[in-house]
Parts: sequence; structure tokens; C-alpha cells
Amino acid sequence: GAVVSQHPSWVICKSGTSVKIECRSLDFQATTMFWYRQFPKQSLMLMATSNEGSKATYEQGVEKDKFLINHASLTLSTLTVTSAHPEDSSFYICSAVGTSGGISYNEQFFGPGTRLTVL
Amino acid sequence: QQQVKQSPQSLIVQKGGIPIINCAYENTAFDYFPWYQQFPGKGPALLIAIRPDVSEKKEGRFTISFNKSAKQFSLHIMDSQPGDSATYFCAATHNYGQNFVFGPGTRLSVLP
Repeated sequence: GAVVSQHPSWVICKSGTSVKIECRSLDFQATTMFWYRQFPKQSLMLMATSNEGSKATYEQGVEKDKFLINHASLTLSTLTVTSAHPEDSSFYICSAVGTSGGISYNEQFFGPGTRLTVL
Repeated sequence: QQQVKQSPQSLIVQKGGIPIINCAYENTAFDYFPWYQQFPGKGPALLIAIRPDVSEKKEGRFTISFNKSAKQFSLHIMDSQPGDSATYFCAATHNYGQNFVFGPGTRLSVLP
């Protein structure tokens, strides 16, 4: 199966700082990447969808100026939480769909997640 | 139209039992139905998936049953083990994963 990595796995930062989370597809070309947020014991909340080389599409209620998403290559997308505040503390998960060897995947493959704690 | 309903919200079974998680959808354009397993502090992992042209798919102890006319599908876990304790999400998609809808999840606890 396809592998997606995320870095860092956890981060603690002070309020007001910015934090960057990387999402990489290791063995396939990720034409589309998704960013989710998950609160404890809750389902995945889609934040935004990004296609390689184009601007991300944000879900309603997600501040695009606060959650900056860049999908510069077919293997890398980044999420930057700008001016983070304690209410931004959450588990952030990326996923990707794409192709490998000319075969298109139907499934989303998820990264291991990043735990963000803002003090 | 885009919603996927999932039940139950939580489920507790004894070791060896057969938990069943049910999902229902409305959008007939969906053509692929994956299930994901998520352990605490980890990202969801693909467990098993089915297309609507088959009524059942089995992989190891996991079986998906699919009822196209009722627009329902379910996950059965045979001989459940404590290690199966996790949150399970059903999903529905079409257009090669571009349009993806998750169910709200089911927290399964398998007692030893």
C-alpha cells in the first residue's frame, strides 16, 4: 500500500508562533492531498483539499489566512498554522490520493498525524 | 446527499464476538466504499474496501457486506480480539478519491 509520512509527529509551541507541518507521499505521486483536524473522540474534520501546483480549497469555516497550505510538488504538502493559539491545539492529519505506476488509487492514504499543543 | 451515516456510535463486545458496524449513504454516484481503522494517537489506516458490483468481500477476519438497493454496507469482524479495539470509519467516494465522505466513526472495545 501507499505510504504517507508526516513531520513532526508532535509539537509544542507558544501562543503567537507559527508551526509548519509536512506531509509527504513516499512511494506514489499525490495529485491531491487533504488536511484534517481531529478533536479527541471525534471524527475527522476536513479542513482543506489541495491539488499539486494550485491553491487549496478550504472548507467552510476554516480560515485560509490562518491555516496556510502549500502543495508545491507531487510528494509534499505543508500546513502552516500561523499565530497559533491554544484553541488551535488538536491532532492534524494529512492524507493523499494519487497514482503509482500509472494506476490511480481510489483510497485516501493517511499520515500518522501531528499532535499540536499551543501553550 | 453527501452524508454517510454510521451506527452504532460505540460498541462493546467480548473476545470472540462478531461486532457489526453499519453505514448508509444517499448519493448513488459513490462507487467505492473503504473502511478505516484508527488507533488512539495514530492516523486512520485502510482496512478493507468494496465496490458496489459485489455484495460481499472478505479479507482475513474482516468482511464487508454491501446492499446496493438499500444503499447500505456493513463491516463484520469475525473472532474479534482485544487488539481490534479502535475507532472504525466507513467512507464513500467516487472520482478516484476526489470526493470523499467519512462516517462519524464507531468506537469498538473488545473485552478480554
